[in-house]
Amino acid sequence: DIQITQSPSSLSASVGDRVTITCRASQTIITYLNWYQQKPGKAPKLLINTASTLQSGVPSRFSGSGSGTDFTLTISSLQPEDFAIYYCEQSYSTPYTFGQGTTLDFK
Amino acid sequence: QVQLLESGPGLVKPSETLSLTCTVSGDSMRSHYWSWIRQPPGKGLEWIGYIYYSGSTNYTPSLKSRVTISIDTANNQFSLKLSSVTAADTAVYYCARGGFYRGDFDYWGQGTLVTVSS
Repeated sequence: DIQITQSPSSLSASVGDRVTITCRASQTIITYLNWYQQKPGKAPKLLINTASTLQSGVPSRFSGSGSGTDFTLTISSLQPEDFAIYYCEQSYSTPYTFGQGTTLDFK
Repeated sequence: QVQLLESGPGLVKPSETLSLTCTVSGDSMRSHYWSWIRQPPGKGLEWIGYIYYSGSTNYTPSLKSRVTISIDTANNQFSLKLSSVTAADTAVYYCARGGFYRGDFDYWGQGTLVTVSS
């Protein structure tokens, strides 16, 4: 199985801050890396697929980058609705695997 | 608008079989891969497996001996069966649609909590 290591596990920030979350895969996954946002009691929402493709309706303050084994999710200017848990996931090969999650909360 | 809705018992006894159904609306099941994903309370996400409309399946190795995913395209449904459950199988179970790249999940059900307890 491909292991995904996500960091940090938690992050405190303020509205307007720029934040970055990273994921590292245990082997190359080319760009088959997806990012999800999950709010309490809700299903995850796909934000970005194939490392950098923003899904329709997702604000442009979200961006993704990386290839091979190292990937980042950046939120350029945090908004109140962005405080949530973020997961990365590799879809290069089965079994698909997720990072442990990053909880983004108010500083 | 694509919608997925999970249904099934919220409580299952240890050693019994967990059975859930996902009903899909707003989409043809012939175009995508359909997955089950679970999340134990307060923990992260685990992909369980997927099915294609042809019936082709792929399961995560750690659950493969206990999992069966089936599809009913006539009724726009796919189902999950997990046998010999224990408390470790207590989780919110989600059904999800695989997007263009199969493993990017672009539509999700709301999730259903299944508790394993006697």
